[in-house]
Amino acid sequence: AQSVSQHNHHVILSEAASLELGCNYSYGGTVNLFWYVQYPGQHLQLLLKYFSGDPLVKGIKGFEAEFIKSKFSFNLRKPSVQWSDTAEYFCAVNENYGQNFVFGPGTRLSVLP
Amino acid sequence: SQTIHQWPATLVQPVGSPLSLECTVEGTSNPNLYWYRQAAGRGLQLLFYSVGIGQISSEVPQNLSASRPQDRQFILSSKKLLLSDSGFYLCAWKIWGSTHGQFFGPGTRLTVL
Repeated sequence: AQSVSQHNHHVILSEAASLELGCNYSYGGTVNLFWYVQYPGQHLQLLLKYFSGDPLVKGIKGFEAEFIKSKFSFNLRKPSVQWSDTAEYFCAVNENYGQNFVFGPGTRLSVLP
Repeated sequence: SQTIHQWPATLVQPVGSPLSLECTVEGTSNPNLYWYRQAAGRGLQLLFYSVGIGQISSEVPQNLSASRPQDRQFILSSKKLLLSDSGFYLCAWKIWGSTHGQFFGPGTRLTVL
């Protein structure tokens, strides 16, 4: 069965620091990859996604993620975080356009002003 | 535009009582529908998904069941709640066959006492 791991349970950064959240998945076939964000008190929402093509994808609010197939990774990055980026971030994998989505356990990001 | 509704927003139920959580989607047809449970530090666990009326796939055997009586209605049920059923339940939808990610509802916080 597929699994998704996220390296950090809780990350604490100061504003303007750079961010990288790790995500690794276990499935060896064709995958679609997602990062979702859940701001305090809000719905889960899509941050960015990868389906094919350029492995470096850009999402909303200055976030980007790089798909490295050889490492089964899809790490999320942002060069300079803001206090408003405080949220929980979830990585998810969808197997070859299938119906099943597997989510990682989430990483809580706290940005200190 | 599409919207997704869940109710109730919060629910407190005694052990052994029945459960019915409802999810409805507006503004789209024939969506894929999903029920997840979100537990702190464990991410989202896919419980059920449906690709059409009356079609339910169960990902995790447990005390819960799901039904899809109408195209845009997805119901999560239990005949007798257990303490371990407490959690945050999220409904999500996806355009059938699309490459977009899922859209999530606001969730229901269930506490079983």
